[in-house]
Amino acid sequence: EPEVTQTPSHQVTQMGQEVILRCVPISNHLYFYWYRQILGQKVEFLVSFYNNEISEKSEIFDDQFSVERPDGSNFTLKIRSTKLEDSAMYFCASRNRGRDNQPQHFGDGTRLSIL
Amino acid sequence: GQQLNQSPQSMFIQEGEDVSMNCTSSSIFNTWLWYKQDPGEGPVLLIALYKAGELTSNGRLTAQFGITRKDSFLNISASIPSDVGIYFCAGLNAGGTSYGKLTFGQGTILTVHP
Repeated sequence: EPEVTQTPSHQVTQMGQEVILRCVPISNHLYFYWYRQILGQKVEFLVSFYNNEISEKSEIFDDQFSVERPDGSNFTLKIRSTKLEDSAMYFCASRNRGRDNQPQHFGDGTRLSIL
Repeated sequence: GQQLNQSPQSMFIQEGEDVSMNCTSSSIFNTWLWYKQDPGEGPVLLIALYKAGELTSNGRLTAQFGITRKDSFLNISASIPSDVGIYFCAGLNAGGTSYGKLTFGQGTILTVHP
């Protein structure tokens, strides 16, 4: 069964450094999402992306965050200058065309640790 | 923003027992979903509910979409050790410009003793 893949599985970065988290959504999917889960807390929406542009972003997704679909297969989340509070699991999700309540398929996440 | 309250926060049960957990919201959702998360993995969709009052089963799992559209429950019958994990409810309002933003509950940690 096709799946969303994320790399790396764990990223350790010094505070203030830039980090890029990578995702390969399911190949025929058109809608892409990033979510964040701080340890022990609920999953939180960051951003949705369709047709090469952001469709909605949460208040967490400030100017330090950006997303890009650099080619036909990858979807990336960049944090420009990381802070300690950016430490979390970051999940990428994608879904197919159709109604907005089509199921979203999640990757296994990238654990981001900021030192 | 919209908030989901999920309860209980955690459950410790014996293998074979039934489990029930629920979510309530301060506002309406037009889709409810239940996910399970195993350690080190992403959420996996268990059941999706699209209509108020809908009752849907997936094996030993049964979920219902509340009539008011502000709540949902998930039942697991005859629990087994592999049911261990964190269960999340999620609400979604289709339409508009978010293209399917999910709002998650806080999760229910399920432990099953053999």
